[in-house]
Amino acid sequence: ETGVTQTPRHLVMGMTNKKSLKCEQHLGHNAMYWYKQSAKKPLELMFVYNFKEQTENNSVPSRFSPECPNSSHLFLHLHTLQPEDSALYLCASSQGLKNTEAFFGQGTRLTVV
Amino acid sequence: AQKITQTQPGMFVQEKEAVTLDCTYDTSDQSYGLFWYKQPSSGEMIFLIYQGSYDEQNATEGRYSLNFQKARKSANLVISASQLGDSAMYFCAMRERLISSGSARQLTFGSGTQLTVLP
Repeated sequence: ETGVTQTPRHLVMGMTNKKSLKCEQHLGHNAMYWYKQSAKKPLELMFVYNFKEQTENNSVPSRFSPECPNSSHLFLHLHTLQPEDSALYLCASSQGLKNTEAFFGQGTRLTVV
Repeated sequence: AQKITQTQPGMFVQEKEAVTLDCTYDTSDQSYGLFWYKQPSSGEMIFLIYQGSYDEQNATEGRYSLNFQKARKSANLVISASQLGDSAMYFCAMRERLISSGSARQLTFGSGTQLTVLP
């Protein structure tokens, strides 16, 4: 069983749809992250949660709405997305926010049509 | 200004040879951490190696070693005895402000280097 699991692995949605991405970590970590990886761009941090509290929101549009019900689960709710939102969305977790590595899930490949 | 710079969009190496992937960084913090990740075509980001700014020795993890040159602000990844399975994207990343009195920043990633190992 991998440490960080993301579902679904692939998602195709229309611009008027509402969908959610799910991330679950089995590592006992306290911090969880959402990253966006677009083609030919560095990873962009979207949100950070530490002990279920959101600590960072990197100017992400409101059509992306995160939810962290507990330290093991993280969701990204999507609605009225744009085609330019098509990307690989990666979830990660770490033990705290300091000098520890982050462990990533396999990502959700999102295509907005 | 870019925090992490990876100047090699693509690299080729012959199987069993060593390869160096370049990474330079920019920070004014004294306490920071440097990381390398591997991303195969499956998408998962796999942690490879970590170097703390105060670590005096270069980090090593199996076939991976980090050539840390603090004065030059470089943290190159060296992969020895390349294998076909090493073909992937490699990302250098940095986390700043690791001192306990300051809030740590998130990992900042470079643009990556696509490594292809040739048989």
